[in-house]
Amino acid sequence: AQSVSQHNHHVILSEAASLELGCNYSYGGTVNLFWYVQYPGQHLQLLLKYFSGDPLVKGIKGFEAEFIKSKFSFNLRKPSVQWSDTAEYFCAVNAGNRDDKIIFGKGTRLHILP
Amino acid sequence: KAGVTQTPRYLIKTRGQQVTLSCSPISGHRSVSWYQQTPGQGLQFLFEYFSETQRNKGNFPGRFSGRQFSNSRSEMNVSTLELGDSALYLCASSLTGTSYNEQFFGPGTRLTVL
Repeated sequence: AQSVSQHNHHVILSEAASLELGCNYSYGGTVNLFWYVQYPGQHLQLLLKYFSGDPLVKGIKGFEAEFIKSKFSFNLRKPSVQWSDTAEYFCAVNAGNRDDKIIFGKGTRLHILP
Repeated sequence: KAGVTQTPRYLIKTRGQQVTLSCSPISGHRSVSWYQQTPGQGLQFLFEYFSETQRNKGNFPGRFSGRQFSNSRSEMNVSTLELGDSALYLCASSLTGTSYNEQFFGPGTRLTVL
């Protein structure tokens, strides 16, 4: 069965710091990978996704993620965070090439200090 | 284009009761997925409906059920409520439900079981 692990449950950073949120998944086949974000009081929304091709994926608001197949990882990065990045971030995975369910990690709460 | 809507937004029930939650997907979207979100557990997949058929199912007891109507609207039912069912229930819609289509989330229904 597929599963997703997000190592950091709560991260606190100061503005302008660099960010990396870890995500590892367990599934041996082709995968599709996602990062979703939930800003305070708002709906979950897609930040970026990887299906195939370039393993470095760029998303909205300056976020990017790198798919490293050998490490089963899909870490989210941003070189310089802003106070408005305070939110909860969810990594998600599903088996590629199938109409399969999307499995979410438990989320990482990111708090940016102004 | 209107987003995903969920009703009611808030609900308070007592143990043993049953509850029905409703989700209206974005116009034209045929897939509806339901998730349970709790602090520390992230989003747990309940089930997905596509063209009125349950296509995927998570690991929840039979007390959790759902259905989808011909207009793609979906309902979720929880019978014999337990305290542990208190959560935010999220609905997400997508065009066809394959992983290649982005899921759009609604605001959720906050269920409190007393």
